[in-house]
Amino acid sequence: LAKTTQPISMDSYEGQEVNITCSHNNIATNDYITWYQQFPSQGPRFIIQGYKTKVTNEVASLFIPADRKSSTLSLPRFSLSDTAVYYCLVGDALSNYQLIWGAGTKLIIKP
Amino acid sequence: SAVISQKPSRDICQRGTSLTIQCQVDSQVTMMFWYRQQPGQSLTLIATANQGSEATYESGFVIDKFPISRPNLTFSTLTVSNMSPEDSSIYLCSVDGTSGDEQYFGPGTRLTVT
Repeated sequence: LAKTTQPISMDSYEGQEVNITCSHNNIATNDYITWYQQFPSQGPRFIIQGYKTKVTNEVASLFIPADRKSSTLSLPRFSLSDTAVYYCLVGDALSNYQLIWGAGTKLIIKP
Repeated sequence: SAVISQKPSRDICQRGTSLTIQCQVDSQVTMMFWYRQQPGQSLTLIATANQGSEATYESGFVIDKFPISRPNLTFSTLTVSNMSPEDSSIYLCSVDGTSGDEQYFGPGTRLTVT
């Protein structure tokens, strides 16, 4: 299973775009990249998933370069309600589910 | 996405006792997963439960300590046996999504062992 590396924490001003980058140098050909959001006292929530290039949904965008060794989660307008821990996972459901969770990135609002 | 509920939401238990946590899904799912998350930490997978077969445990977790049942496609239980304070944690169940890669989580069970 590919290991992921993320910043432990990040902060941003409300209203700004926030980008969290995840490194996964050993990603395999069949692996997808998935991001989750976890609020305090709740289970993680699926945000977005992608394989290559760019994926966008109503919550976020996911940018994946051609070599797929990293990915960037983009939240368009950071608000207090986005304060959470964000996890990046890689894996292939056909052979192994994305079951190895890294430390995640704690995203907090700047005062 | 599936809607998942867990019971109890929290409990305080005495050392040496056992607690069974229930996980109910509003739709049939193939795979269910049980995780442990200590305060401020990431998630650690305990086991994978596939309906009709024995659960598969990760390194460091054994069936005698964490027996799991999966009687049908919408329900599973995790028992934390012979508890010690080190078992104090949040226990989460999750299920596989329709596309297969993503997971959907329950709200968690906060366990405190005194």
